Amino acid sequence: AQTVTQSQPEMSVQEAETVTLSCTYDTSESDYYLFWYKQPPSRQMILVIRQEAYKQQNATENRFSVNFQKAAKSFSLKISDSQLGDAAMYFCAYRSARGGSQGNLIFGKGTKLSVKP
Amino acid sequence: EAGVAQSPRYKIIEKRQSVAFWCNPISGHATLYWYQQILGQGPKLLIQFQNNGVVDDSQLPKDRFSAERLKGVDSTLKIQPAKLEDSAVYLCASSYSRGVKTQYFGPGTRLLVL
Repeated sequence: AQTVTQSQPEMSVQEAETVTLSCTYDTSESDYYLFWYKQPPSRQMILVIRQEAYKQQNATENRFSVNFQKAAKSFSLKISDSQLGDAAMYFCAYRSARGGSQGNLIFGKGTKLSVKP
Repeated sequence: EAGVAQSPRYKIIEKRQSVAFWCNPISGHATLYWYQQILGQGPKLLIQFQNNGVVDDSQLPKDRFSAERLKGVDSTLKIQPAKLEDSAVYLCASSYSRGVKTQYFGPGTRLLVL
């Protein structure tokens, strides 16, 4: 079974600085997708960025980028120019490319990010 | 494009009472998911629908939880009778049934069982 591990329960960053959140996963599959979701105190899960495993190029979305290391099964999220609004829980998630019940999201336990003014 | 809608946003009930949550997915999304998120943890899938059929309900406590999606659009999740350990946020998500199937989440319903 696939697992997702986020080893940093909490992280802190100064406003305007850069922070990297770590995520590792375990799978025997070669075709899958990886996601980072943000969950602010309002509790709504918001998609931050996604990566298709077959793509070698790392995904970027404005100030958010990932470092996808397929061989190492690592998928870290870098937030540049951190803003107060970035403070939230961040969840890493894995989804198999298979259909049906095998294609469900598997979440890590999350990393709580604080942004200091 | 409207997002996933959920109601109510908050609910407080006593144990052994029943409760129902409603979800309206993004238009055109054939797949709908219900998750349970206990404080301090990541979401856990309860049930997945493809149109009005169940794809996966292996983690749904069927002795007390039920869900339906009768017309392949809106969905209702019910708990009867509720237990203290059901206190959690219940998240609904939807996705297209093909391609990357990125899931988009609603605001969630926070349930407190006393």
